Amino acid sequence: EADIYQTPRYLVIGTGKKITLECSQTMGHDKMYWYQQDPGMELHLIHYSYGVNSTEKGDLSSESTVSRIRTEHFPLTLESARPSHTSQYLCASTSKFDSGNTIYFGEGSWLTVV
Amino acid sequence: KNQVEQSPQSLIILEGKNCTLQCNYTVSPFSNLRWYKQDTGRGPVSLTIMTFSENTKSNGRYTATLDADTKQSSLHITASQLSDSASYICVVSDRGSTLGRLYFGRGTQLTVWP
Repeated sequence: EADIYQTPRYLVIGTGKKITLECSQTMGHDKMYWYQQDPGMELHLIHYSYGVNSTEKGDLSSESTVSRIRTEHFPLTLESARPSHTSQYLCASTSKFDSGNTIYFGEGSWLTVV
Repeated sequence: KNQVEQSPQSLIILEGKNCTLQCNYTVSPFSNLRWYKQDTGRGPVSLTIMTFSENTKSNGRYTATLDADTKQSSLHITASQLSDSASYICVVSDRGSTLGRLYFGRGTQLTVWP
């Protein structure tokens, strides 16, 4: 069982609101990722971090921002939500010391912007 | 263009039957290939990971095969159970970075009927 947690699991917010999706892992992993996934579609990388104070944009352009102040915490923020942001957001982590190179995913955060 | 294609898109089988899911990729250079199971509304869970030198790997009733020459992989599920109903995602990693960039397939939606 992976020790990576996302909150909230489900959220409905109005257009223009600011929202932060939380992601925490207790495995001491240095690498963390945020993916966006629409129903029936593949995962798209939107942000990643290889350690504290390290953040990079992923392949899919996103209006969200991330921060990595602590190893275990990788929150994603939308300053002004729009209906186009409606999607599932998945957080993941892994460790360079994991010989199996396993990537652990959180349960996901379903965001609906109305 | 690096891509991961999965087939079939969806599959319905009866409980107790076997099935095989396919994954073709064009990712190069190749590092490893993973199969994930994603239950509806949940995050993906790792089933297997195979490197270039591995031809087959099993995890309980799940057996994955890899042909790195033809760039094809399959996931065979034996004696299916109702709990196998999920999306099965093929993920291929290249060697472009410390971890390797990940390329996701769109998944095969498997439904097991009683």
